[in-house]
Amino acid sequence: GAGVSQSPSNKVTEKGKDVELRCDPISGHTALYWYRQSLGQGLEFLIYFQGNSAPDKSGLPSDRFSAERTGGSVSTLTIQRTQQEDSAVYLCASSPDSSYNEQFFGPGTRLTVL
Amino acid sequence: GDSVTQMEGPVTLSEEAFLTINCTYTATGYPSLFWYVQYPGEGLQLLLKATKADDKGSNKGFEATYRKETTSFHLEKGSVQVSDSAVYFCALKHNQGGKLIFGQGTELSVKP
Repeated sequence: GAGVSQSPSNKVTEKGKDVELRCDPISGHTALYWYRQSLGQGLEFLIYFQGNSAPDKSGLPSDRFSAERTGGSVSTLTIQRTQQEDSAVYLCASSPDSSYNEQFFGPGTRLTVL
Repeated sequence: GDSVTQMEGPVTLSEEAFLTINCTYTATGYPSLFWYVQYPGEGLQLLLKATKADDKGSNKGFEATYRKETTSFHLEKGSVQVSDSAVYFCALKHNQGGKLIFGQGTELSVKP
């Protein structure tokens, strides 16, 4: 079956602009996770959803970052007023539910802020 | 807070050499432990896991044993191949919580 998909695969934006990153989880997976992979910080957790609610959003680095999930499926990560330090690969993962051990990762969105 | 520490890379080995990548963790309770691998140009994928103390995870010739007494989960392979060249991430997850906490990653390069 189809895996986790993310769009766009690459995004170049100018400092100060807003960006939206999209994640389509595996069908039927109720848990969805966002992570960020950057050279200086490694792989960091951002937020996760169980259904449409977000029990843990402790990894969001500032109030410029927000995420939503509607219909228990697609999720959007929004970064407002982008900064150069936001440049990273944003990874999305899903699992059947949050207690399930394995998380299935998408290919990521590479964000470059000029 | 919880954390995972891995040996720094890059690690360069010749084909058929023995591989060890060290991983230690700090966590409350009894998390599950994982090794994820990221091959060049590909997404992150689960390599192996162990959910309780003394469990051994294994896959594709790789092994790791959950050692509670030393809070470690070292990755080993007896004979590496060029196709094992990748970045390896050690991670932990609490059963009741959703997120994975990753180490910094270790890049492995295997030369023929």
